[in-house]
Amino acid sequence: DTGVSQDPRHKITKRGQNVTFRCDPISEHNRLYWYRQTLGQGPEFLTYFQNEAQLEKSRLLSDRFSAERPKGSFSTLEIQRTEQGDSAMYLCASSLFLVGELFFGEGSRLTVL
Amino acid sequence: SQQGEEDPQALSIQEGENATMNCSYKTSINNLQWYRQNSGRGLVHLILIRSNEREKHSGRLRVTLDTSKKSSSLLITASRAADTASYFCATEQLGSNYKLTFGKGTLLTVNP
Repeated sequence: DTGVSQDPRHKITKRGQNVTFRCDPISEHNRLYWYRQTLGQGPEFLTYFQNEAQLEKSRLLSDRFSAERPKGSFSTLEIQRTEQGDSAMYLCASSLFLVGELFFGEGSRLTVL
Repeated sequence: SQQGEEDPQALSIQEGENATMNCSYKTSINNLQWYRQNSGRGLVHLILIRSNEREKHSGRLRVTLDTSKKSSSLLITASRAADTASYFCATEQLGSNYKLTFGKGTLLTVNP
């Protein structure tokens, strides 16, 4: 077991482009979370899944953001028509349902020019 | 929105000293957790304390929880330079279905 992995680790894009991040959780974990973190702030909740079902999406999240978890395994987070305000670290975490501890990946850092 | 607020925002101490960080939250919780983050890295879980617990220990870490005051503290004893990191409290609010809400964190610097 290699833990939670995220790809790419760094992405630089121009405003208006679409970007996609991938997260591979720990294999037996049925919960998967996406958080966003900006410099000097704590992680901000974006969305989470139990198996393939998306349970909640933050009301702060624009319609430009979409996440999927097909077959309850890996997950993708897509940002369409990126804006400079989207620049942040996107963190993925996984857990076992009913167990509180989250296991985080190293994050995907997005820079929008 | 962020439920927890850590205090202080930044803390600088000498190696060997103890470090205490506090967290306050607003609504009732199932549990409260502390995480550590080294610069530019992901978060690492340190300790979880349930709402019916008052104190918990793990190695050099001691966590307390006061649900009447809606506050928690993290004590790191005999600090080391390697403890330099940001520390976040995270709360699982009642009815949140195991979703964690994080505070803004405390940046701890341990000087050798």
